[in-house]
Amino acid sequence: GDSVTQMEGPVTLSEEAFLTINCTYTATGYPSLFWYVQYPGEGLQLLLKATKADDKGSNKGFEATYRKETTSFHLEKGSVQVSDSAVYFCALRDDKIIFGKGTRLHILP
Amino acid sequence: DTGVSQNPRHKITKRGQNVTFRCDPISEHNRLYWYRQTLGQGPEFLTYFQNEAQLEKSRLLSDRFSAERPKGSFSTLEIQRTEQGDSAMYLCASSWLTGGTYNEQFFGPGTRLTVL
Repeated sequence: GDSVTQMEGPVTLSEEAFLTINCTYTATGYPSLFWYVQYPGEGLQLLLKATKADDKGSNKGFEATYRKETTSFHLEKGSVQVSDSAVYFCALRDDKIIFGKGTRLHILP
Repeated sequence: DTGVSQNPRHKITKRGQNVTFRCDPISEHNRLYWYRQTLGQGPEFLTYFQNEAQLEKSRLLSDRFSAERPKGSFSTLEIQRTEQGDSAMYLCASSWLTGGTYNEQFFGPGTRLTVL
């Protein structure tokens, strides 16, 4: 069945560092791909999405490109802030959402 | 607040008791989803409704679990004879399906269940 694999955390970076969280997927069709974020004590929020190959999703300085040839959707940000500390979930959707296990990100001031 | 709401936010129960959770989706959203998230894991799909019809159930949804959406608006998720393994965050999400296009799912804050 469809699945999502993302790098395990926790990931600890200093403020202003470059961030990459790897995500690969397995799917029989052509799903939409997402990154969700869960801040401490809050619910899941959609961070960005891409609906077809080569689409780039972006929001709040984060970016991810739908790479069909490598079945990947890596999350990147050029300069992280302390406020980016959260758990990030890569996900795919063919109707219901299939989530990865999540990567906890901790940014040090 | 016009977002997805869930009640209660926290529930502590003893093993063997029945519990029921409620989800109120964003009004006019015709799709409603239930997910379960255990500690350190991503949310896992349980079931979903389109209007009042339950269209899919995950294998995770044992016969102790039942979900309803009687009038196509709010939904309830009941767990009978709870077990400690049922302890998790239960998430509800809603979306609007138009012309076969899947739109964004909006998530509620979740109900955290602890089974003692």
